[in-house]
Amino acid sequence: KQEVTQIPAALSVPEGENLVLNCSFTDSAIYNLQWFRQDPGKGLTSLLLIQSSQREQTSGRLNASLDKSSGRSTLYIAASQPGDSATYLCAATNQGGKLIFGQGTELSVKP
Amino acid sequence: DVKVTQSSRYLVKRTGEKVFLECVQDMDHENMFWYRQDPGLGLRLIYFSYDVKMKEKGDIPEGYSVSREKKERFSLILESASTNQTSMYLCASSFGGHPGFGNQPQHFGDGTRLSIL
Repeated sequence: KQEVTQIPAALSVPEGENLVLNCSFTDSAIYNLQWFRQDPGKGLTSLLLIQSSQREQTSGRLNASLDKSSGRSTLYIAASQPGDSATYLCAATNQGGKLIFGQGTELSVKP
Repeated sequence: DVKVTQSSRYLVKRTGEKVFLECVQDMDHENMFWYRQDPGLGLRLIYFSYDVKMKEKGDIPEGYSVSREKKERFSLILESASTNQTSMYLCASSFGGHPGFGNQPQHFGDGTRLSIL
């Protein structure tokens, strides 16, 4: 059974710092790995999707990598801003087509 | 941009009531999903549908049913609401027939925070 883990559960950084969020999964037989952002009381916004055949995806200041063999994905945020404060969720799409979510990392960027 | 609209942001109902949560997407997506999100448990899949009138159980279908009469609309039904169904409910949609082969990102609505008293 696929399990997705995100460490740390919470992270606080000063504005301008580069940071990395970690996601690990137990079953490497995935279709893709998706990163989401969730603001308090809101739904999820899709940030990046990495297909199983890809190694990374980039969008603006965000870069997500995928290493299936080690069961890891990272989300790199460059030059963090207070507006980046949110909960970041990763989710692996398993062979049955279902998204399996991690518990999320709550990020706070201090001005 | 994909728009997934959930009919209510906040909803308060009483135990035993039949509750309908509505979700509409405007991108002609084949797949639609209902999740609930609870502190400490994360997001869990209740039901999904990959075509009109098709439905499949997710991980926690007990106490829920769904309806998909039109491609753009996916309804979640609480047959007899109970207090343990108080939660944040999230609807999502994605392109491409069966989720396992569509391999497309899921797009989420803003959620419905449901309280059962």
